Amino acid sequence: SQELEQSPQSLIVQEGKNLTINCTSSKTLYGLYWYKQKYGEGLIFLMMLQKGGEEKSHEKITAKLDEKKQQSSLHITASQPSHAGIYLCGADPQVNAGGTSYGKLTFGQGTILTVHP
Amino acid sequence: GAVVSQHPSWVICKSGTSVKIECRSLDFQATTMFWYRQFPKQSLMLMATSNEGSKATYEQGVEKDKFLINHASLTLSTLTVTSAHPEDSSFYICSAPRRTSGFTDTQYFGPGTRLTVL
Repeated sequence: SQELEQSPQSLIVQEGKNLTINCTSSKTLYGLYWYKQKYGEGLIFLMMLQKGGEEKSHEKITAKLDEKKQQSSLHITASQPSHAGIYLCGADPQVNAGGTSYGKLTFGQGTILTVHP
Repeated sequence: GAVVSQHPSWVICKSGTSVKIECRSLDFQATTMFWYRQFPKQSLMLMATSNEGSKATYEQGVEKDKFLINHASLTLSTLTVTSAHPEDSSFYICSAPRRTSGFTDTQYFGPGTRLTVL
């Protein structure tokens, strides 16, 4: 089975600082998701990466998948208190080359981000 | 806006009673939905795959007679926790894949249901 390891487990930063969260897989990633969760709430989809070397950005958040497709990073630029929450990477072990998902995700343990104003 | 909804958002029940949680895909059909469970300060653990028109598939260690799943339509899956006990108290989240571009599916999650069993 595929295992995902996230680092760090928790992160406390001052508003305005940049930060990076890493997600490392024990197997090749064919579909890697990044989600954000507020405690006690559902998951908010951030980005999905499929191709080696792929990079996507949305507002101040950038996610990358390395060429070997075993590690992904999530980078937040100029963090704000609104960025605080739990960041989860999830892998879909059954995404085929065409991108069809057979759906069940395995998640990393999560990274708790706190941003002090 | 939300693409997957859950109802109720929270429920408190007495030990021994059954609780039904609904998961709906909004504006799209989902032949497959997934049910996850999350304990405090822990990540999500997949419980089962809900399949429209056929039986659900349960992950190892999940009691199928305890957690009944019914995929009633292409937009609705229900999870019933039967004879609930305090150890069933948890945060239950469903997800559904939605085709976003080309042949790519994205898993969208519901807002979750917090179950507390007294």
